Amino acid sequence: SAVISQKPSRDICQRGTSLTIQCQVDSQVTMMFWYRQQPGQSLTLIATANQGSEATYESGFVIDKFPISRPNLTFSTLTVSNMSPEDSSIYLCSVVGPSTDTQYFGPGTRLTVL
Amino acid sequence: AQSVAQPEDQVNVAEGNPLTVKCTYSVSGNPYLFWYVQYPNRGLQFLLKYITGDNLVKGSYGFEAEFNKSQTSFHLKKPSALVSDSALYFCAVRPLRSTGTASKLTFGTGTRLQVTL
Repeated sequence: SAVISQKPSRDICQRGTSLTIQCQVDSQVTMMFWYRQQPGQSLTLIATANQGSEATYESGFVIDKFPISRPNLTFSTLTVSNMSPEDSSIYLCSVVGPSTDTQYFGPGTRLTVL
Repeated sequence: AQSVAQPEDQVNVAEGNPLTVKCTYSVSGNPYLFWYVQYPNRGLQFLLKYITGDNLVKGSYGFEAEFNKSQTSFHLKKPSALVSDSALYFCAVRPLRSTGTASKLTFGTGTRLQVTL
């Protein structure tokens, strides 16, 4: 399995500011995914991040609000821009493990927007 | 489009009793099915998956799941529940033969398992 870390683990932010979440994997992976889990809800895919190309966003999510970087095969960032209280969620990074089709998840970043 | 249904928001069971958490799915072609568990303030942990082969799949922590193609179900089971099994459980699906962004998982709404003494 892949070992995934995320920074920060949690943050409390003011409305209108931006937060960048980092995701680091202990091995090279082709595909990385960013999910959002709103309070009491299931997981919703925000985008798929591929190294060397632009991220692919799901319906309802746009690059201006959730810009993603994928500079190499072990690292990605998700920025939540111009935050509002509705952005309060857990944000999870996920990767497809090497030599497997199983998706593994990071510990998540718990974001609270005041 | 693929979808997953977890009909029970919460399942309550006494420690030592068998447990079942239900999941049904809809997907084009053959499915690739997963169960994940989420403990409080933690990320998702992979429990088990079904690809092909034996319909009964064994996973971590004594959990198993039974794939039933005719009923499009993938119920999670454990013969004897523990209090420490109390957590949020998610079923997920993707098409078996998918690549790139099509390999994204679709999750159910989750079932909270409460195991009591």
